Amino acid sequence: ENVLTQSPATLSLSPGEGATLSCRASQSVTTSLAWYQQRRGQAPRLLIYDASIRATGVPARFSGSGSGTDFTLTISSLEPDDFAVYYCQQRGSWPLTFGQGTRLEIK
Amino acid sequence: EEQLLESGGGLVQPGGSLRLSCEASGFIFSSYEMNWVRQAPGKGLQWVAALDPSGHVPHYADSVKGRFTISRDNPKNTLYLQMKSLSAEDTAVYYCAKDRPRRTELWGQGTLVTVSS
Repeated sequence: ENVLTQSPATLSLSPGEGATLSCRASQSVTTSLAWYQQRRGQAPRLLIYDASIRATGVPARFSGSGSGTDFTLTISSLEPDDFAVYYCQQRGSWPLTFGQGTRLEIK
Repeated sequence: EEQLLESGGGLVQPGGSLRLSCEASGFIFSSYEMNWVRQAPGKGLQWVAALDPSGHVPHYADSVKGRFTISRDNPKNTLYLQMKSLSAEDTAVYYCAKDRPRRTELWGQGTLVTVSS
């Protein structure tokens, strides 16, 4: 199975700052990678798919990049609602797998 | 509005069985691949199973293969997850989710399964 490793596990930042979250796959997924946001007590929400395509309704401050095994989710200027847990998921092969998550917390 | 509503969760003893249901509305259910994803208390997301639109091609996580069965009734707009030989490690919120190519775009609110004696 393709193991996804996210870093850092926790990121402490202030509103207005930029955030960079990383996801590394143990095997290449080309660009078949998605990012999800999960706020406390809520179901996950799709942010990015195909490594860099924003889902419908996702603000432009969210962007994704990468290919192969290394991927990045960037949030350009954090807003209060952005403090949540972020997961990457590879869609390149079965079984589908998620990273363990990065918790973005208010500093 | 597109919606997914899970049901069937609850308390079950170790070794027991349970069937989860997910009723879809607001979209053409028979056109989409569907998934189950779970989340143990305080833990991350774990993909469980997926089923193609026809209901003939399932995929499973290794941890549930042979114990869980995903199925669907397209005329009833309903997805199922039959779970057997349950253990404490299966305790989680189970989410039903709708897929489009290379992404999961819609999630239900989840149903909690607790395996305990």
